[in-house]
Amino acid sequence: AQSVTQLGSHVSVSEGALVLLRCNYSSSVPPYLFWYVQYPNQGLQLLLKYTSAATLVKGINGFEAEFKKSETSFHLTKPSAHMSDAAEYFCAVSGTSYGKLTFGQGTILTVHP
Amino acid sequence: DVKVTQSSRYLVKRTGEKVFLECVQDMDHENMFWYRQDPGLGLRLIYFSYDVKMKEKGDIPEGYSVSREKKERFSLILESASTNQTSMYLCASSLTSNNQPQHFGDGTRLSIL
Repeated sequence: AQSVTQLGSHVSVSEGALVLLRCNYSSSVPPYLFWYVQYPNQGLQLLLKYTSAATLVKGINGFEAEFKKSETSFHLTKPSAHMSDAAEYFCAVSGTSYGKLTFGQGTILTVHP
Repeated sequence: DVKVTQSSRYLVKRTGEKVFLECVQDMDHENMFWYRQDPGLGLRLIYFSYDVKMKEKGDIPEGYSVSREKKERFSLILESASTNQTSMYLCASSLTSNNQPQHFGDGTRLSIL
């Protein structure tokens, strides 16, 4: 069975500061991992995905994530936050069949001027 | 580009009504999914389909049914709407492999009065 834990339901940063959103997973098989972003009143948009090719994955909008098997983590980072990064972020792990995903509870990112 | 279209962005219905939510994808994806999203609970899988006329229950199927008569269309049906089904409903689709991301529609915000 798969599970995802996102540490911190709310994260607040200043514009220009480092963004760090934490995700830990549990999986009975080698995982495929995804980060999605959701802006208000919209669906989820794929930020990046880990599919075992490289442990450091670069995504859209300057985000990246590092897969650490020993820590079962896949934290999302961005060196410098922008006001437009304010949104809710979801980490997800792929299941064992049919492309099913298990999502974390989400982290709401607030960016202050 | 990938496109998942949900028929309504906002919908208001009354308790006891039969409600249909429609989702269409134009990417020839095998898999389609219906989620509901509630604050603090993340995304919860209601039903998914891995082929035409094939469906599987997700984590919270009670009170819902689905239909997939054509590959591109996946319908969610609330047999007799209740107020606790007021929520944001998200449709997604994906290729069959577990390392492929899901692509989401913009969601339908459903209110049951």
